[in-house]
Amino acid sequence: DGGITQSPKYLFRKEGQNVTLSCEQNLNHDAMYWYRQDPGQGLRLIYYSQIVNDFQKGDIAEGYSVSREKKESFPLTVTSAQKNPTAFYLCASSMGAGAYGETQYFGPGTRLLVL
Amino acid sequence: AQSVTQPDIHITVSEGASLELRCNYSYGATPYLFWYVQSPGQGLQLLLKYFSGDTLVQGIKGFEAEFKRSQSSFNLRKPSVHWSDAAEYFCAVGAGTNAGKSTFGDGTTLTVKP
Repeated sequence: DGGITQSPKYLFRKEGQNVTLSCEQNLNHDAMYWYRQDPGQGLRLIYYSQIVNDFQKGDIAEGYSVSREKKESFPLTVTSAQKNPTAFYLCASSMGAGAYGETQYFGPGTRLLVL
Repeated sequence: AQSVTQPDIHITVSEGASLELRCNYSYGATPYLFWYVQSPGQGLQLLLKYFSGDTLVQGIKGFEAEFKRSQSSFNLRKPSVHWSDAAEYFCAVGAGTNAGKSTFGDGTTLTVKP
């Protein structure tokens, strides 16, 4: 089955610790995205990547970093500089070209909690 | 820059009643419009999308939406709501570029009364 997987489902971070959230897709999509969702709020874009080895900052990139070394993988690192990391993190992908590239397919999410 | 407004934060309907969720967008050109549904603790699932052509689009689970350019709206409707429709619903507008970078509304939470 094609789709997007995110791991882990729950992640706990200690003060001063960097943690990495995994996102893998087997849809052969060019574009991938990371969103943050806080209770009662919509999705806010953290980073996105249109092609391997290239990525762009979204609206709330501070305190986060990403890499795109492979087409199918787009891991997100929450660094110690992110002072309020508790949130639900969603990864998405899209074909990335033309009108149909606008349709995003979402993973099941990772909930990050601070200890 | 594009933007999306979902005026209703929370809507409660009785099971079997009709539903309309409102979405207003702001974008200079013809937008790509989407409705997604999210169950608690889950990712988002695409309900339907509008790119061009017929302004009334059909989606999954019996949902439909109508694009009204004059009103900058893309309201989601369902004639008869089921208890399993209780969820959060997000409207999104795409930029029409290769980035596929959509802007999402803040969502509307739907509660279904028995």
